[in-house]
Amino acid sequence: GESVGLHLPTLSVQEGDNSIINCAYSNSASDYFIWYKQESGKGPQFIIDIRSNMDKRQGQRVTVLLNKTVKHLSLQIAATQPGDSAVYFCAEKETSYDKVIFGPGTSLSVIP
Amino acid sequence: KAGVTQTPRYLIKTRGQQVTLSCSPISGHRSVSWYQQTPGQGLQFLFEYFSETQRNKGNFPGRFSGRQFSNSRSEMNVSTLELGDSALYLCASSVEQGMNTEAFFGQGTRLTVV
Repeated sequence: GESVGLHLPTLSVQEGDNSIINCAYSNSASDYFIWYKQESGKGPQFIIDIRSNMDKRQGQRVTVLLNKTVKHLSLQIAATQPGDSAVYFCAEKETSYDKVIFGPGTSLSVIP
Repeated sequence: KAGVTQTPRYLIKTRGQQVTLSCSPISGHRSVSWYQQTPGQGLQFLFEYFSETQRNKGNFPGRFSGRQFSNSRSEMNVSTLELGDSALYLCASSVEQGMNTEAFFGQGTRLTVV
C-alpha cells in the first residue's frame, strides 16, 4: 500500500504552550490538504483544511500553513490543552483522483 | 445527524478465513472510502466508492474487495486472511466525489487474525 514513512514522530509540549506539527507531503500535484486528529480508540477527526491557492488558514486555536515550494505543511495549535493529546495526521489529495494520502502521523503529548 | 457507523467494532478471525466489514455513511453522503491502519504502515488507502462504483483503488492485493449499495452503505471483504491483515479498518464518508470536502471517519473495525 501507499504510505509515507514507518516511524511515528513524537512531540511533547507543556500545557499552555503553542504546538507546531510539521508534515512533508509527496505529490506536487496535490491541491487539497487536511489535518486530522486521532485519539486512542477513535477514528480520525477533521481539524482544518487548506486548498493549494492559499498559504495560511486559521480556525479556532489552530492555524495551517502551506508552503508549496518545499511541499511542507504545518499545524499550529495555540495554548495547547491536555485534550489536544492525540496523533495528528496530515493528508494530501489531488482532487482529480479523489485519493487521500496520509502522512505517518505525529504523536502530541501535552504535559499538565 | 448520525456519524459514520462501522460494524462490527472488533473481530477475531483465523488465517485462511474471509471477513466482511460494513460501513454506513452519514446520511446524504455518497462517497465512501476505506483505509487500513497499522502501527508499521500508518493509514493506507484501500479503495473509494461513489454511486455504487469503485472510483479509486490503492495498492492492495485482490484479496481485498468492496462494494457499495444503492443506499450508499458499503462493505469490504478480505478473503484468505493472513496474519498481516490484522489492522484497524476505517471507513470515511464525504458528500461528493471530486470535491475538496472533508471526509468523516467512523471508529473503525479492529480485525485480529490469529
